[in-house]
This record gives sequence, C-alpha cells and structure tokens, in this order.
Amino acid sequence: QVQLVESGGGVVQPGRSLRLSCAASGFTFRSYAMHWVRQAPGKGLEWVAIISYDGTKKYYADSVKGRFTFSRDNSKNTLFLQMNSLRADDTAVYYCAKEMLRYSYGSSFDFWGQGTLVTVAS
Amino acid sequence: QSVLTQPPSVSAAPGQKVTISCSGSSSNIGNNYISWYQHLPGTAPKLLIYDNNKRPSGIPDRFSGSKSGTSATLGITGLQTGDEADYYCGTWDSSLSAGVFGTGTKVTVL
Repeated sequence: QVQLVESGGGVVQPGRSLRLSCAASGFTFRSYAMHWVRQAPGKGLEWVAIISYDGTKKYYADSVKGRFTFSRDNSKNTLFLQMNSLRADDTAVYYCAKEMLRYSYGSSFDFWGQGTLVTVAS
Repeated sequence: QSVLTQPPSVSAAPGQKVTISCSGSSSNIGNNYISWYQHLPGTAPKLLIYDNNKRPSGIPDRFSGSKSGTSATLGITGLQTGDEADYYCGTWDSSLSAGVFGTGTKVTVL
C-alpha cells in the first residue's frame, strides 16, 4: 500500500533553515510528480510546491519562492524540502502528497502523509 | 490568500443533504479538473472527488461532485456524524503555475 512518511520538523528560530524529508513506498515513485502542502494553525490548506516525476520541473507558491527548494532522489524514493530564511508565518504542518496521474501534474492528490510540524519561533 | 472561495461552514441534521460551493476563475476551475478533499484535524487529508465528479475506490456514493464554468459543488447526502470535517476544493491554476485550494468549509452535523 502507498505510504508517505514525513520527517524533519521541529522548532527553529526565525531566519534559520530546516530540511524536511518524505519517504515514499508502495508505488513506482519515479513515475509521479509530488507536492508539499501545508496548514498553518487555525488556517486552511495551502499548496507549497510541486516537483515533476523526474525532478526537472519545479513550481512554488509565491509565499515560499526564493526561500524553499524542492528536490527528490528517485534512487531512494525520497523527497526533500529545504526551507531557508524561515519566518513565523511558515509555522505549519507540512504534508507531502502524491500526484494521481503518472508523468503528469496538476490533477489530484490521491495519497497524503500524516504531516510534520514546523514551528518558527524565537 | 486562497484563490478559490468556499462558504466557511454548512450544517444539517443526520440523514439530510449539504452542498458546498467552490468559486474560482477561468485560469483554475474554468480550465482544469477540480478535486475535493476531506480533512479531519491531525490526520492526512483524504481525496473524495477527482476529475470534477469521479470517486476513488472506497468513497461512498453519498459524495458527489459537479462543475459548471468557474464554479464547482460538492454534495453530501445521508449526512452522518462521521462526515463532520473540513472540506476543501483544489485544482491547478494555469496562470499561476501553482496548485490552489479553496478557503475550506466546516461541515457540522446537528
């Protein structure tokens, strides 16, 4: 069965960096685009970024553009989200999510991880 | 700031029906498929509807989706206490080259 397990969350001071990981299993990882989605406390879901199945295309939300970098290692079925210059409004639960269709993006997210909490505070 | 607009909350008695609207524009709902997600706090969101009106396996037919122009609707019939959750519409925005979600709707079973 499909499993997505996020890790790397924690408490970090404003301006510092953090790297999240998402370990995937149960599907042909290298064939699917993947996403990060976050939810700040008391807020709704916010799409963060997408990476294509082969890692060549990446798109980011304006709120994180220039600060976050999305990458993947298809040999290890793992995603990474490098978060730099963190701000208080980056505080959220971060979910990785799988694109529904192979070799495509912009469809639906059919599987999600349980999320990892990032708290940016001094 | 969400690109897609949903009502903050809807409610109905057990067994009744609720509908949740999702309003967008030609760059998102108007030209892309819409999806709907159910989210219980502390859990992973669940895909309820994809490609405007299709249900993944395991999703009961009490849940339905439709789309017209730049708006979409999620319907839940035979409301159950277990349906109490937050519901989000989502799609791709071709102008932004970004995924977008609705503002979210809390469903309460009275």
